[in-house]
Amino acid sequence: EPEVTQTPSHQVTQMGQEVILRCVPISNHLYFYWYRQILGQKVEFLVSFYNNEISEKSEIFDDQFSVERPDGSNFTLKIRSTKLEDSAMYFCASSGQVFHNEQFFGPGTRLTVL
Amino acid sequence: RKEVEQDPGPFNVPEGATVAFNCTYSNSASQSFFWYRQDCRKEPKLLMSVYSSGNEDGRFTAQLNRASQYISLLIRDSKLSDSATYLCVVIGPGTYKYIFGTGTRLKVLA
Repeated sequence: EPEVTQTPSHQVTQMGQEVILRCVPISNHLYFYWYRQILGQKVEFLVSFYNNEISEKSEIFDDQFSVERPDGSNFTLKIRSTKLEDSAMYFCASSGQVFHNEQFFGPGTRLTVL
Repeated sequence: RKEVEQDPGPFNVPEGATVAFNCTYSNSASQSFFWYRQDCRKEPKLLMSVYSSGNEDGRFTAQLNRASQYISLLIRDSKLSDSATYLCVVIGPGTYKYIFGTGTRLKVLA
């Protein structure tokens, strides 16, 4: 069964460093998303991406964040200058249908900012 | 009022029991509804979409009540493997982003 994959599974970085989280969505999907979940809290939407551009973003997704689809398979989230509060699990998701919009999530990248 | 609200639990039930969770949402124009399951430190996994007419998948039944703005999940004949956090997800009008509830923890006891 096709699935969303993410790398790395765990990333440890120093405050102020740049990180890039990588995702490979399900191959025939058209819509891509990033969510985050701080430990013990709910899953929060960051950004959605369709047709090579951001379609929606939350207030969390400020100028420190960017997304890119550099080729036909990868979808990346970059955090330019990490802060302690960026420590969280980051989930990539993809969906193939406009209606119903069932999203399928990758296993996540645990980001730890020291 | 929170956009999506769930009782965090935990619900501790014996194997074989029937358990039900509710979730309320604030935006009456919300368009799509889902139940996801999340195991500890894992990704949310789609359990079922929730349709206006209600839907059933094996031991799981989901209902939507638009008038009262809540969705429910019923689990019959609980198994140990059903122990997880159940996430209520809503999509609001004019958007595709998911709005998650905080989740309801279920522990099924032997």
